[in-house]
Amino acid sequence: AQSVSQHNHHVILSEAASLELGCNYSYGGTVNLFWYVQYPGQHLQLLLKYFSGDPLVKGIKGFEAEFIKSKFSFNLRKPSVQWSDTAEYFCAVNAHNNDMRFGAGTRLTVKP
Amino acid sequence: DSGVTQTPKHLITATGQRVTLRCSPRSGDLSVYWYQQSLDQGLQFLIQYYNGEERAKGNILERFSAQQFPDLHSELNLSSLELGDSALYFCASSVVDGGAQFFGPGTRLTVL
Repeated sequence: AQSVSQHNHHVILSEAASLELGCNYSYGGTVNLFWYVQYPGQHLQLLLKYFSGDPLVKGIKGFEAEFIKSKFSFNLRKPSVQWSDTAEYFCAVNAHNNDMRFGAGTRLTVKP
Repeated sequence: DSGVTQTPKHLITATGQRVTLRCSPRSGDLSVYWYQQSLDQGLQFLIQYYNGEERAKGNILERFSAQQFPDLHSELNLSSLELGDSALYFCASSVVDGGAQFFGPGTRLTVL
């Protein structure tokens, strides 16, 4: 069965620091990949998605992610975080069997 | 606002009871997904419906069931409730299978 691992449970950064959140998955076939963000007290919102093509995908709010097939990874990056980026970030994988698996989430705290 | 609506926002009930959660997908979306989010289990996929038919099943208990109606809204029925069923229940919808999912605001269920 497919699984998704997010290595960092809680990341604390200062404003303007660069961010990279790791995501690895265990499915060997074709996958669709997603990053979602959940701001405190809110629902999940789609940050970006990868289906095919350019492995570097850009999302909203300055986020981007790179799909590295050989490493089964889809890491999320942002060059300069803001206090408003404080939230929980979820990586998700759909292996075309409609069973969307989410990682455990990474809580990001950005200090002003 | 994702366009996905869920009712009620909050639900407080007692053990052994049965509740129904309702979800209306975004206009045009045929797929509806149900998720449970709790502190200890994280975000768990429960079940998916596509155009009225069950499409995929995740970690859904036998005490739980769902259906999607001809107007595409969906209901999640939770019966014989236990304390451990207390969680946030999210509904999401997508246009196509495996596509980006848009989440509703969730229903917070508290079982006393």
